[in-house]
Amino acid sequence: DQQVKQNSPSLSVQEGRISILNCDYTNSMFDYFLWYKKYPAEGPTFLISISSIKDKNEDGRFTVFLNKSAKHLSLHIVPSQPGDSAVYFCAASAQETSGSRLTFGEGTQLTVNP
Amino acid sequence: GAGVSQTPSNKVTEKGKYVELRCDPISGHTALYWYRQSLGQGPEFLIYFQGTGAADDSGLPNDRFFAVRPEGSVSTLKIQRTERGDSAVYLCASSSLVSTGELFFGEGSRLTVL
Repeated sequence: DQQVKQNSPSLSVQEGRISILNCDYTNSMFDYFLWYKKYPAEGPTFLISISSIKDKNEDGRFTVFLNKSAKHLSLHIVPSQPGDSAVYFCAASAQETSGSRLTFGEGTQLTVNP
Repeated sequence: GAGVSQTPSNKVTEKGKYVELRCDPISGHTALYWYRQSLGQGPEFLIYFQGTGAADDSGLPNDRFFAVRPEGSVSTLKIQRTERGDSAVYLCASSSLVSTGELFFGEGSRLTVL
């Protein structure tokens, strides 16, 4: 069963506008959430994270929002830049599982048009 | 280098052959993970090492897959009697003992089974 789901396989936005990427999860034991960014032929790189005790975490142009009651999180990028074009993966972990084992969503391909 | 290193970057083999994929984690990282990413999917957990021992191998799909980390640093993922369905990018990641969940990924080894 898909415990972390990203329902939009792709998103296209104009440079300077806001990009909003969404993620839903089903496992209520997840208590830490991360976003990774992946360029072609490279491994995923960590972008931003949020603990379940918070509902918002901001880092420069990137903000992650967590709605625990809805089991939903989103990544906001503003302003979007062409260099942000990549596949974005949502991931989640549960404290009681081994180490930092992450469960990933399917990814959303973001394209930022100049 | 400073990052996670994986070799080979590309491997083409024939159905039924044996394959080894190598991962050299970030120096000092005690935790090492193997993930598999199929086309259009997010990374899928295979196995997690803490030091030399496999702390969680519940993601290995069957007994054709095996991984070792004999000295607590470099790890090798071994696939016996390869099948076409094994074709994927195999990602290795490492993290420190005090990681809050962030994994550092290598660029991956792309395996193609003909």
